[in-house]
Amino acid sequence: ETGVTQTPRHLVMGMTNKKSLKCEQHLGHNAMYWYKQSAKKPLELMFVYNFKEQTENNSVPSRFSPECPNSSHLFLHLHTLQPEDSALYLCASSQDGEGTQYFGPGTRLLVL
Amino acid sequence: SQQGEEDPQALSIQEGENATMNCSYKTSINNLQWYRQNSGRGLVHLILIRSNEREKHSGRLRVTLDTSKKSSSLLITASRAADTASYFCATDGKDYKLSFGAGTTVTVRA
Repeated sequence: ETGVTQTPRHLVMGMTNKKSLKCEQHLGHNAMYWYKQSAKKPLELMFVYNFKEQTENNSVPSRFSPECPNSSHLFLHLHTLQPEDSALYLCASSQDGEGTQYFGPGTRLLVL
Repeated sequence: SQQGEEDPQALSIQEGENATMNCSYKTSINNLQWYRQNSGRGLVHLILIRSNEREKHSGRLRVTLDTSKKSSSLLITASRAADTASYFCATDGKDYKLSFGAGTTVTVRA
């Protein structure tokens, strides 16, 4: 859709599972983001990576662990999640950490 | 933390009518952006207006910005069924991180 892809698109996991979300951007950007979108709530910024370095951790619980091996790929490792973590997880990228952000289609996560 | 706040929360209009939604924010900004989100999908960037601009157009979209009132409006003219979506304003401050509002859900009836 926009040059930012996310896999999987849907994920159902139990509270004891470990899974990972993947994001890849083909736009040559150097900043990448993870957002959480819950029903009826504003987007919550979770993590920011600029030139592969994490520049923001918005008080996210340690059961969410990001990884940015290069400027094109971003992962979100999940373990021992809670049902309230069920949400749409969106990845985005931008150039130089400012201006327009380009979003992926999101991963719809359901924690049982 | 939430910076932009959209109003109204929901809007239902007839195809061909105009849709107007507003965004208010609290602190000074570098620019303000509007995004659209179709149900359960990612956000799509619509338009960016800089803090020194007052009005901007893109196709059927018109955005205004009043920094003295810390508010912006998005007007969609001659709406179509495909405009049915949620619309978000996003502001960035000194640190360039975007803060989104909860959005306005627009339904265009055929």
